[in-house]
This record gives sequence, structure tokens and C-alpha cells, in this order.
Amino acid sequence: DAMVIQNPRYQVTQFGKPVTLSCSQTLNHNVMYWYQQKSSQAPKLLFHYYDKDFNNEADTPDNFQSRRPNTSFCFLDIRSPGLGDAAMYLCATSRVTASGGQSYNEQFFGPGTRLTVL
Amino acid sequence: AQSVTQLDSQVPVFEEAPVELRCNYSSSVSVYLFWYVQYPNQGLQLLLKYLSGSTLVKGINGFEAEFNKSQTSFHLRKPSVHISDTAEYFCAVVYNQGGKLIFGQGTELSVKP
Repeated sequence: DAMVIQNPRYQVTQFGKPVTLSCSQTLNHNVMYWYQQKSSQAPKLLFHYYDKDFNNEADTPDNFQSRRPNTSFCFLDIRSPGLGDAAMYLCATSRVTASGGQSYNEQFFGPGTRLTVL
Repeated sequence: AQSVTQLDSQVPVFEEAPVELRCNYSSSVSVYLFWYVQYPNQGLQLLLKYLSGSTLVKGINGFEAEFNKSQTSFHLRKPSVHISDTAEYFCAVVYNQGGKLIFGQGTELSVKP
């Protein structure tokens, strides 16, 4: 089945130690998203890639970076994790067409990576 | 500003009772509407969606929702809930074609025996 995969499911890191979270998809979608979700809150969009174009949300801290080496993979890098960065990180994908075509932006989510910062 | 409001943060209900989770959005301009469910330590799973056509939408696990344009609502319903329906439910809206998915704050559904 086509799907969105996130690895690892649980990640423990130390305060200030860089960490990378991974997302891959077999849906061949052109857009990939990273969300941060803290306890009892809605997912918060950090950034997304539209094909190779990176789109950062205005309030995403510089501590968060992303890479998309190809259509299938997208990485979230946290350069110096703080205690406040402990959260669930969700990857999602969608197929968004260029202007002139209908685009519903239905997003398909991975299972998430639970990040703990010690 | 474009927003989504889920009116109840927590909904406790007994097993086999009906339930309605409420969702209102801020604009009646072209919208696409979604309900997602999230089980503990899991990602979001799509329950159902409204893109166009019939205003009554049926989804997985026996859930349905009705798009009401005049009231800018998209309430989620199930006639008889199970213990396994205990989860967090998020209403989400796309306001423009290709626009961002905007989430409500979530409703925690707790089904008790």
C-alpha cells in the first residue's frame, strides 16, 4: 500500500545535540510537510516543500531546518534541540496541482516521531 | 482571519450512545473540509472529507458529517460509539485551492463502558 513512513517512531536526544528525523513516501506526491504537535494541541506547520521549493512558516525558529534530496524523502533537522522542542513531529504529503487545476490539498500523514529531549 | 473552531475540547460519552463533535469555520468562500482522527502516539488518519456535491458525507468507522454552508459548520456524528472510538478528533479546512490545511484545536472523545 502507498504510504507515508517516518523513522524512527521514538527519538531521544540530549539538550543541544543535533537530531534528524526522516520521512519517506511511496505516494509520489509533490508536496511534503513537517508539523510539530505538542501535547493536547493541534499540529503546527513548520515548513513544506512544493517539489524542490522550500517554504518556511514565518514563526518557525531557525533551529529547525529541512532537506528534500528527492521526491520520496524529506528530513527535519533540529540543530540544537531545547527542552521546548520535545513534541510529536508529523510528516504529511499531498498532491497540489499548479494554478488552473483543482487542488484540495488533502494531506496524508505518517505515524509521527515522538521526540524526547533530556 | 481564516480559522476553524471546535466548540468542545472534551466530549465524554457512554458506549453505544450517539455523539456529535462540532466544528465551525470562519468563511463560506470555497472551502474543502476534513475530519481527522488521532489515536495516542499515532499520526492523523483521515475519517472523511467534503470537497463538493452531497452535503452529507460518510466516512470510515461509521462516522458521517454534514456540510452546512449557511451555518459554516461541518459537525461530525456517529449514531453509536464504541470504546475503540476513544481518540482525539481534528476538524481541518482548506480555504483556497492549494491553500494550507488549517486545523481546529481538537476534541478529545472519551467513550466509557
